[in-house]
Amino acid sequence: NAGVTQTPKFRVLKTGQSMTLLCAQDMNHEYMYWYRQDPGMGLRLIHYSVGEGTTAKGEVPDGYNVSRLKKQNFLLGLESAAPSQTSVYFCASSRSASGTGQTYGYTFGSGTRLTVV
Amino acid sequence: DAKTTQPNSMESNEEEPVHLPCNHSTISGTDYIHWYRQLPSQGPEYVIHGLTSNVNNRMASLAIAEDRKSSTLILHRATLRDAAVYYCILRSHPYNTDKLIFGTGTRLQVFP
Repeated sequence: NAGVTQTPKFRVLKTGQSMTLLCAQDMNHEYMYWYRQDPGMGLRLIHYSVGEGTTAKGEVPDGYNVSRLKKQNFLLGLESAAPSQTSVYFCASSRSASGTGQTYGYTFGSGTRLTVV
Repeated sequence: DAKTTQPNSMESNEEEPVHLPCNHSTISGTDYIHWYRQLPSQGPEYVIHGLTSNVNNRMASLAIAEDRKSSTLILHRATLRDAAVYYCILRSHPYNTDKLIFGTGTRLQVFP
């Protein structure tokens, strides 16, 4: 059981280049999330999805786009990378709520370290 | 979103119990209390969560105040591997607006 897999693990981009980060989960989770973490800070939510074909904005969505065409995959795109997007990016997934509202823990990937020069 | 307040840092000696506090005075009736930890250079890891009753699992215990305005994560015997940043987070239902918002957490140092 691989859990949440992020690719690539490291990437260096030049300003203005584009790239896509891939997150894949094999736990049949409904919900998926993209976070970024800057040095010495907590995680900030970029975008999230509560089901296949649906996405929503988080705290810091500007400069990013996402797609959830398949339940198991959540893609994060940078159309024109900027140095301010240098960060570690984490993907997470979670089961949906039960009928009684019971919540479940998130499972996180190991992160993608992105540097924009 | 309801907010949580945690101390910036705490220290412990190895094999001693650790009590990590969290205040959430604006918690609503549908908010679950979640705890995660992040080891150096790793993604966050789920620790435990609860609603009203105290909870135990293989990693830790969660003690929730009767008025639910505060909670405490208890590590019964700290090890060096427990040195991490611990996040206390409220997760709300309904899920069509579900999102886990992280604060700055408590950095736990464990000394041999």
